[in-house]
Amino acid sequence: QSALTQPRSVSGSPGQSVTISCTGTSSDVGTYDYVSWYQHHPGKAPKVMIYEINQRPSGVPDRFSGSKSGNTASLTISGLQAEDEADYYCCLYADTFPVRFGGGTKLTVL
Amino acid sequence: QVHLVESGGGVVQPGKSLRLSCTASGFTFSNYGMHWVRQAPGKGLEWVAVISYDGNYKYFAASVQGRFTISRDQSKNTVYLEMNSLRTDDTAFYYCVKQTATNRFFDYWGQGTLVTVSS
Repeated sequence: QSALTQPRSVSGSPGQSVTISCTGTSSDVGTYDYVSWYQHHPGKAPKVMIYEINQRPSGVPDRFSGSKSGNTASLTISGLQAEDEADYYCCLYADTFPVRFGGGTKLTVL
Repeated sequence: QVHLVESGGGVVQPGKSLRLSCTASGFTFSNYGMHWVRQAPGKGLEWVAVISYDGNYKYFAASVQGRFTISRDQSKNTVYLEMNSLRTDDTAFYYCVKQTATNRFFDYWGQGTLVTVSS
């Protein structure tokens, strides 16, 4: 079982929107809705931003949203802010182990 | 307020052993499954192991299967990762992670402890 596929980097200007994709297969992302997204600032603990495809934990701004189409889950950040600059990881916690992470995407706010 | 504090990291020679600890507070520890996730320098997150809320089931990533063990002490609110036959590619920050009770995601992470395997 390989890691889920994410773009290595994305960028956007303040106020713009960016979307980060997370591609799996019909056997994993295409089947299960247990995809979550984590924001990781270097030197800090990762933080969950989205769970179960599109659910937002309390305290996470509604600028962060999630979706899924076929074998690809996506995280969209609208109204980009400087503090959104971080690494983002998708994660699939399906019915069987291992839990799988995407390779990570570095978001740069220009 | 939930806190997860890892300890036990350090520099160790290849082939040696190391035990990581994670002490939890701010929640009923015995109700939740706990995981270890690692990040090698310049790499992404990699799931390592899980132990169920009651310690009855444990699963490991293929890369550590047979070398690492996971356990928990409910009386001490602590989960352990025993790492044996360490290799240079085990060098990483190791994070202790709490999963939610009913949903499959990680709601709290520790700050991590660095393990460096080097001769």
